Amino acid sequence: SQKIEQNSEALNIQEGKTATLTCNYTNYSPAYLQWYRQDPGRGPVFLLLIRENEKEKRKERLKVTFDTTLKQSLFHITASQPADSATYLCALSAPSNTGKLIFGQGTTLQVKP
Amino acid sequence: DARVTQTPRDKVTEMGQEVTMRCQPILGHNTVFWYRQTMMQGLELLAYFRNRAPLDDSGMPKDRFSAEMPDATLATLKIQPSEPRDSAVYFCASGQPNTEAFFGQGTRLTVV
Repeated sequence: SQKIEQNSEALNIQEGKTATLTCNYTNYSPAYLQWYRQDPGRGPVFLLLIRENEKEKRKERLKVTFDTTLKQSLFHITASQPADSATYLCALSAPSNTGKLIFGQGTTLQVKP
Repeated sequence: DARVTQTPRDKVTEMGQEVTMRCQPILGHNTVFWYRQTMMQGLELLAYFRNRAPLDDSGMPKDRFSAEMPDATLATLKIQPSEPRDSAVYFCASGQPNTEAFFGQGTRLTVV
């Protein structure tokens, strides 16, 4: 069956370190993958989109990789700050390129000062 | 500042009552999504529309849920009759095909 897996355990890191979050998927062939941030009591907010023919995308302190062979995306936040504390969700287009957007469960990141 | 608007923000209702949630997508967006979020299940896709036509509502319990877009500025999600297990936060999102989705603030539904 189709699955999107994100680490359900919270990730706790020290301010200034790099946070790395993982998104694994099975039985999908997404045309693109997106990452969103969600704060408590609010809707998800788009961060980055990476297409199947792209290996890496960067935006300021954020970096996303997409490995369609491993069926995995990694999301990095460099020089993390307490303000980066939130839940991060990955989303896949599934089936490929139909516009349908399926989300993982999300990983909560806590950055300690 | 364009945004997706959802009403109501909070709704408490008794089991068996009809619930209607409304969403105003961002002007010009032709794709609209309805999601339900719970702690256990995360963000589940209930239905999505392209140019007001339903493309996929396989995630929606058909016996009690219905989703429509009467016009390009309004999407509705109805539950009739509501049950306690429907308690969740319901999100509407809009966008252009195959690009980022813009989410509303959600409707927190409590069915007692």
